[in-house]
Amino acid sequence: EAGVTQFPSHSVIEKGQTVTLRCDPISGHDNLYWYRRVMGKEIKFLLHFVKESKQDESGMPNNRFLAERTGGTYSTLKVQPAELEDSGVYFCASSQEKSPQFFGPGTRLTVL
Amino acid sequence: QQQVKQSPQSLIVQKGGISIINCAYENTAFDYFPWYQQFPGKGPALLIAIRPDVSEKKEGRFTISFNKSAKQFSLHIMDSQPGDSATYFCAARIENNFNKFYFGSGTKLNVKP
Repeated sequence: EAGVTQFPSHSVIEKGQTVTLRCDPISGHDNLYWYRRVMGKEIKFLLHFVKESKQDESGMPNNRFLAERTGGTYSTLKVQPAELEDSGVYFCASSQEKSPQFFGPGTRLTVL
Repeated sequence: QQQVKQSPQSLIVQKGGISIINCAYENTAFDYFPWYQQFPGKGPALLIAIRPDVSEKKEGRFTISFNKSAKQFSLHIMDSQPGDSATYFCAARIENNFNKFYFGSGTKLNVKP
């Protein structure tokens, strides 16, 4: 069974540009999560989807971040416009109901 | 405000030694405490977890010790091996929010051969 996949693995952009990160969860997992780890700090929860609905987006830093999950399958996280402090590793995870979360390898975002 | 505080930031242990990583929390509503292991280029993976109704849980060489009164928990890796070299994260979850985890800042463990 394929795990959670994320694309791209690395992204380097300039301040003010737009970046879109993609996450493909494990097939059949209705729950999808986004997390972020700023260098050396804790992994922080961003938001949680159940199918295509946002269940909890309390961790989204500000309105420059937009997450979508069209059709309840893959999800995208768009940062527009990107700022220097947005640099970090963005993790996606998925799970079945009340089951452990499986994490993807992450996307390392560098904003110059 | 960081909900789960983890130490040390990095740890070097000789092969065969014991690795100990500590975490502390303040929120008494936390009811589930997992540890995650992350290898370079991979995402964090669930290693072992404990609930506050027990003081210790052991799986192979990995043991969680939990002190409810002190609001602290720790991961012990016995007979540490070079293959255990990874970053370890502790985490906690509030009982009425099954899906939201609060993570520590991570400990990079290097086990020397």
